[in-house]
Amino acid sequence: GAGVSQTPSNKVTEKGKYVELRCDPISGHTALYWYRQSLGQGPEFLIYFQGTGAADDSGLPNDRFFAVRPEGSVSTLKIQRTERGDSAVYLCASGERPSSEQFFGPGTRLTVL
Amino acid sequence: AQKVTQAQTEISVVEKEDVTLDCVYETRDTTYYLFWYKQPPSGELVFLIRRNSFDEQNEISGRYSWNFQKSTSSFNFTITASQVVDSAVYFCALVRRSGANSKLTFGKGITLSVRP
Repeated sequence: GAGVSQTPSNKVTEKGKYVELRCDPISGHTALYWYRQSLGQGPEFLIYFQGTGAADDSGLPNDRFFAVRPEGSVSTLKIQRTERGDSAVYLCASGERPSSEQFFGPGTRLTVL
Repeated sequence: AQKVTQAQTEISVVEKEDVTLDCVYETRDTTYYLFWYKQPPSGELVFLIRRNSFDEQNEISGRYSWNFQKSTSSFNFTITASQVVDSAVYFCALVRRSGANSKLTFGKGITLSVRP
């Protein structure tokens, strides 16, 4: 079956611009997670959805970051007024249910110039 | 607060050597899961194992084995007879077993290089 997919694979933008990153989870998985991975570090949690609702958004660094999952499947991570420090690989993962194995997508590499 | 420490940052071995990757964790939860993920040069995180905090039995899967010791809060990973394809970054991670908070807390990863 299909795994988690993320688009685009690479995104280059200029400081101050708005970007959207998309995640398609494994079909039937109710739990969806966004992580951010900087060079040489482990992934860091951003936000977790159970169904359509954000069950935990404690990892979002500030109010420039927002994510939605309107129909309980595809999710979009939105970053406003991007800054150079936002450059990282943004990873999406999905799981059958909370605390089950999380399966990761290939990530979106975001570069803010 | 939860924390995962992978003290080794880089390990280099020659093919066919055995290698152990260490993981030490901190949590106040009594029930939790521990994970290992592999991140090859392609970048995609690959799930290797999930271990329930109640189950301290060691596990073996082919050349891979895991040693979970609750008394020392460690969950170490051994690769037997390493191969070049094992070259990757390996992450240990922790998650609560119940409740609304099911985010993974990762260590910083260990870069394993297996030389032919």
